[in-house]
Amino acid sequence: VQLVQSGGGVGQPERSLRVSCVASGFTSRYYAMHWVRQTPGKGLEWVAVISDDGKTASYTDSVKGRFTISRDNSRNTVFLQMDSLRPEDTAVYYCAREVDYYFDHWGQGSLVIVSS
Amino acid sequence: DIQMTQSPSTLSASIGDRVTISCRASQAIGSWLAWYQQKPGTAPKLLIYFASTLETGVPSRFSGSGSGTEFTLTITGLQSVDFATYFCQHHNRSSWTFGQGTKVDIK
Repeated sequence: VQLVQSGGGVGQPERSLRVSCVASGFTSRYYAMHWVRQTPGKGLEWVAVISDDGKTASYTDSVKGRFTISRDNSRNTVFLQMDSLRPEDTAVYYCAREVDYYFDHWGQGSLVIVSS
Repeated sequence: DIQMTQSPSTLSASIGDRVTISCRASQAIGSWLAWYQQKPGTAPKLLIYFASTLETGVPSRFSGSGSGTEFTLTITGLQSVDFATYFCQHHNRSSWTFGQGTKVDIK
């Protein structure tokens, strides 16, 4: 099982960035997938989840209306589109596979810095 | 929302020590609790789920206990590779919550 992330980087406030997560070694369409972020000040924070079939998604309150999680099961890829970025969105973003409400595999992390 | 509070924030220990880390939930959560280990620059690693079930491949010196609101992660016979930060995590409805972490460092 591997989750390989790409994307992120430096973005200006109110602009957009996207992070991607490519799954291998398992049939990703059978699993819900998440994004979790980490900052030195706030520790680990769950951001979003998408169902195995991509039909349902949930978000933490602070990103609702700004972030969109999506997936392309034909490419075993999960995305996090981050719009209207804020400085407080600065963090390392991890994708993670869910099994029974826990995260058994994680991506390597993608650094997102929001700064003018 | 359910809050998860870990204690202590930092713990200094020696090789071979028995280490215990606590995680308290703001309301009863049954056994719906996981523990993760994280080393600097790397992603968290699942150690224990359902409060006491060891993830495949995790050494048996790690154990978890508790239910309701009080949970404990125990490392029996601390090894050098165990110096890391540990997080608890709970799921409730469509929200996942982590504790703030406990850093285990060398005494």
